[in-house]
Amino acid sequence: DTEVTQTPKHLVMGMTNKKSLKCEQHMGHRAMYWYKQKAKKPPELMFVYSYEKLSINESVPSRFSPECPNSSLLNLHLHALQPEDSALYLCASSQETGQVFGNEQFFGPGTRLTVL
Amino acid sequence: GEDVEQSLFLSVREGDSSVINCTYTDSSSTYLYWYKQEPGAGLQLLTYIFSNMDMKQDQRLTVLLNKKDKHLSLRIADTQTGDSAIYFCAEAEDNFNKFYFGSGTKLNVKP
Repeated sequence: DTEVTQTPKHLVMGMTNKKSLKCEQHMGHRAMYWYKQKAKKPPELMFVYSYEKLSINESVPSRFSPECPNSSLLNLHLHALQPEDSALYLCASSQETGQVFGNEQFFGPGTRLTVL
Repeated sequence: GEDVEQSLFLSVREGDSSVINCTYTDSSSTYLYWYKQEPGAGLQLLTYIFSNMDMKQDQRLTVLLNKKDKHLSLRIADTQTGDSAIYFCAEAEDNFNKFYFGSGTKLNVKP
């Protein structure tokens, strides 16, 4: 199984809502990532988890709250978002975070988020 | 972050070769990657190259790396309409596998 799955595929939420994005992989990877991708732009890293611990937070506003309940799952909790947060949110995983052989990141299909 | 640059557009005819170019700044990058993104989809890894290699071939794909000039290219032989997509190069920062993506090159393949 070389797949990263993300749910939901699409999400529309109001600025006062609380919602969560979910990501799952069963490749035994110990590093997981959240990226944000605006239209016609490259993905921008938000968070890196290594062995279920948050390693990197790229100065992301606190209205985005990541969680890694176990080595296969990664969540992104959303609260009080702004319309400019509308984007494609991509999850990725890799063997680990060091520069080991290959260590390519495998990406999920993304969640298309619209904030009204 | 690191600076990774790509030209924005490339248009080719079906059956021709496509060459997508990328320049990067971090000379300590160990691996460099090429990803493909189709509309509304996630990123699909195409290939990667180790920095001590100067060429890697994988079926229709050829990656060339000029480490001195920090220049990476992806050649797609016999380009098909199904190759139309955005292609991103990426370099990884050593310690945390932080990927820095180029701006993406939109490849349009005309029948």
